[in-house]
Amino acid sequence: DTEVTQTPKHLVMGMTNKKSLKCEQHMGHRAMYWYKQKAKKPPELMFVYSYEKLSINESVPSRFSPECPNSSLLNLHLHALQPEDSALYLCASSQEPGAEKLFFGSGTQLSVL
Amino acid sequence: EDQVTQSPEALRLQEGESSSLNCSYTVSGLRGLFWYRQDPGKGPEFLFTLYSAGEEKEKERLKATLTKKESFLHITAPKPEDSATYLCAVQAWGSGGGADGLTFGKGTHLIIQP
Repeated sequence: DTEVTQTPKHLVMGMTNKKSLKCEQHMGHRAMYWYKQKAKKPPELMFVYSYEKLSINESVPSRFSPECPNSSLLNLHLHALQPEDSALYLCASSQEPGAEKLFFGSGTQLSVL
Repeated sequence: EDQVTQSPEALRLQEGESSSLNCSYTVSGLRGLFWYRQDPGKGPEFLFTLYSAGEEKEKERLKATLTKKESFLHITAPKPEDSATYLCAVQAWGSGGGADGLTFGKGTHLIIQP
C-alpha cells in the first residue's frame, strides 16, 4: 500500500462550523504533513508531525488545529474559518522526517462560505 | 531566502512535439532538487530527485537535468496523458531536513493537444 488517503474529498462549510479533515497512511512512514494549496499556487507547508512531535509554520492561524492520534493518522480540525481559507488541503507523508520524497494524498477541496 | 522560478507558466504543445520546462533556483546550499507532477484536484506525484550538477534522471518520456543554477525537465514526444502541472522544489542543507525545507515553484501548466 503506497497510498495516502484523505477524507472527505470535498467539503463546504460556513464560517461558524467546526469540521475535521482526515488523513491516513499505512506505509509505516514516521513523518506526516499538512499543506495548503490555492489555485495556481505552489503547496505551502502548514504543519509537520514527526515522531509524535509537532512543528508549526508560525504564519498558520489558530483556527487550524492538527491532531496526530497515532503514527498512521493525521487530522486537521477547522473552526471559524474565513472565505480566504478556501483551498485544496493536502496531506503528505515521508519515510523519515529527513526524507525528501513525499507521498501526497489527493487532497480535500475546501470551500468556506 | 531560497527561491524557485519556473518558466514558462503555461505551455501548449502538439502531441509528439518535444520541449523543455525550466526551473531556476537560488539556494544557500542545495541538498536536492525535486520534480513533481500534479493533475487537477489531486496531490503532487513525485517524479525525480537530483542532487548534484551534471546529474540526469529519466522516466518514460521525461528526463530531468541539473546545473548549478537551474534544472530542465525535457519532454520527448509527449502524449495527451502528459498534460499536468509540473512543480519544481528545492531543499537546502541546514533547513531542518524533510519537507519543512522544501521550497516549491509555482509550476508549469502543460497541455498536450492530440
